[in-house]
Amino acid sequence: QVQLVQSGAEVKKPGASVKVSCKASGYTFISYEISWVRQAPGQGLEWMGWISAYSGKTNYAQKLQGRVTMTTDTSTSTAYMELRSLRSDDTALYYCARTHTGHYNYMDVWGKGTTVTVSS
Amino acid sequence: EIVLTQSPGTLSLSPGERATLSCRASQSVSSNYFAWYQQKPGQAPRPVIYGASSRATGIPDRFSGSGSGTEFTLTISRLEPEDFAVYYCQQYGSSQFTFGPGTKVDIK
Repeated sequence: QVQLVQSGAEVKKPGASVKVSCKASGYTFISYEISWVRQAPGQGLEWMGWISAYSGKTNYAQKLQGRVTMTTDTSTSTAYMELRSLRSDDTALYYCARTHTGHYNYMDVWGKGTTVTVSS
Repeated sequence: EIVLTQSPGTLSLSPGERATLSCRASQSVSSNYFAWYQQKPGQAPRPVIYGASSRATGIPDRFSGSGSGTEFTLTISRLEPEDFAVYYCQQYGSSQFTFGPGTKVDIK
């Protein structure tokens, strides 16, 4: 079945970087984009950006431009999201999601999430 | 950036009742780029409606979506116990996705 398996929880200090992975299986990896969405404790969903697994083209949320980098490794069907210069308000559950773009734009399969805690 | 506003913030209903959730966009959105998601505590979101009115895989027909332009609606015709959750609307425009703040549907 189609699934996205994310890496484990991370604890980082302010100013550090974190890199979260998302391994896809059950479908042709390069046929879709991967979005990253985060959710701060008790809050709503915030889209961070997406990457085309086929071309590597990225599209980041304006708010995170300059701090986030999304990449893929097609040999292992894995997507990565790196966030730099971490602050306490980056503490959140980070999801990857298979994303349809083109005729319909939405996210149909989600990972279970990776908790990132930023604390001194 | 297109801003989405959802109402009400919380909807308290009983099983078997009809739920009507609204999402308003700050500017016109393509219907093809509009979706609704359901999120239960401790779980990832899952799509309910995409393209404003198409049900996602595995979603029962008591869920329906409608609307266009700046006004969209998610209707649950008869609430089942498993439908009590938070629902988010989502749009894609100007190369950016945005989500609404969510509507919590809880048991009255």
